[in-house]
Amino acid sequence: DAGVTQSPTHLIKTRGQQVTLRCSPKSGHDTVSWYQQALGQGPQFIFQYYEEEERQRGNFPDRFSGHQFPNYSSELNVNALLLGDSALYLCASSHPSGFPEQYFGPGTRLTVT
Amino acid sequence: GENVEQHPSTLSVQEGDSAVIKCTYSDSASNYFPWYKQELGKGPQLIIDIRSNVGEKKDQRIAVTLNKTAKHFSLHITETQPEDSAVYFCAAKRYSTLTFGKGTMLLVSP
Repeated sequence: DAGVTQSPTHLIKTRGQQVTLRCSPKSGHDTVSWYQQALGQGPQFIFQYYEEEERQRGNFPDRFSGHQFPNYSSELNVNALLLGDSALYLCASSHPSGFPEQYFGPGTRLTVT
Repeated sequence: GENVEQHPSTLSVQEGDSAVIKCTYSDSASNYFPWYKQELGKGPQLIIDIRSNVGEKKDQRIAVTLNKTAKHFSLHITETQPEDSAVYFCAAKRYSTLTFGKGTMLLVSP
C-alpha cells in the first residue's frame, strides 16, 4: 500500500519565478492538505482540497494556489517567489469525515535564491 | 484561530528514562489531538492521537493524556531508546485544519 508521495524531492528557484509541486494521496484517501514548514518550525496549514475544490484555507497570500484532479492527486502552485518562501512543503492525505487522521508525505524542499 | 504552545523545545534523556512533552491549546472547539515524530529529512509520522471524548490512550511505550478543562495534552514515552531521537510535534484539529506546536527535539543518549 503506497503512502503519500510528493515530487520533486528538491527544487531550486530564483526570486520572482513560479513553481509547481505535486502530491499523490495514500490509497483510499480523497482529501489533500498542504503545509509549509520553515526551518525549525512546525508545519503551517496552507489549504485543503476535497472533491476538486478548495475547502479550507490558512493565512497565506493568493500567490499560493492549488488544484485537485479527479484521481485525488493535487498540485501546489506558488507565483512570484520570495526568498521567504524557502521551506519544506508537505502534503497530507485523509478522509473527509469520520477519520481525522492526516498522513504526511516526505515533502519537497524548495530553495529560493 | 487556534494557538498551540509546546514545551520543552529540547529534551535530553538517558536511554531507559521516560520523556514527557506538554502542549496547550486555545480553542475549545478543537476535538482531535495527534502527535507526530519527524526524523531528519523526512515528513512527519503520526505516532499516536487522541480524540476529545477520551482522557488517555496508550500504545506500547507511548501514551497521550488530554485534559479538556485545562486545554492541556501530553505525550509520555517510557523506556526511551536511541531510535526515539527525533523532533516531536503536537497538533490540534479544529474542523479540517491542523495547528501544530513548534516542536520538541528529543535526544536519547545511550
